[in-house]
Amino acid sequence: DTEVTQTPKHLVMGMTNKKSLKCEQHMGHRAMYWYKQKAKKPPELMFVYSYEKLSINESVPSRFSPECPNSSLLNLHLHALQPEDSALYLCASSQRVASTDTQYFGPGTRLTVL
Amino acid sequence: KQEVTQIPAALSVPEGENLVLNCSFTDSAIYNLQWFRQDPGKGLTSLLLIQSSQREQTSGRLNASLDKSSGRSTLYIAASQPGDSATYLCALREDNFNKFYFGSGTKLNVKP
Repeated sequence: DTEVTQTPKHLVMGMTNKKSLKCEQHMGHRAMYWYKQKAKKPPELMFVYSYEKLSINESVPSRFSPECPNSSLLNLHLHALQPEDSALYLCASSQRVASTDTQYFGPGTRLTVL
Repeated sequence: KQEVTQIPAALSVPEGENLVLNCSFTDSAIYNLQWFRQDPGKGLTSLLLIQSSQREQTSGRLNASLDKSSGRSTLYIAASQPGDSATYLCALREDNFNKFYFGSGTKLNVKP
């Protein structure tokens, strides 16, 4: 099973809402990633978790709060977002954070902030 | 700072044609380079991974080459099919940490 699942597929939220994105994998991977992708642009790395610990935060605003409660699950908590945060949010996982390890991507959550 | 460029941004070809997608990068000190495809509104699917010590990799109708000295990689697609229509992204890693530098992608349309 080489699948990374993401829920929900689509999310519409107001600027005052609090919501969460969920990512799950059962491949035994110990590295998980959040990316943000705007239309017609490549993915931009947001966060990297290695062995459930935050390894990289690419200067992401605090209105995005990641959480890795266990090795299979990665959440992204959203609060007080801006319309410019509307994008496709992609999750990925790999065996480890070594560059020889393939990243497997989920299908993404399409987020719209009104 | 590493910059990754893909030209052209969009390409439309008739079915059956062989084609080449280009990827260039500014700093040749790379660890490896990977080609992905992305269907509209979907995640990325890995196609080929080339280590810095390798010159090319092949998978079915796909062949990727790497020339570090000139800062270039190409993805060759033989006998293109409508199902190949997607955006193709190249991405490289500079060291042994799994962080990508992505190109902006080439959107390919293969016409039946």
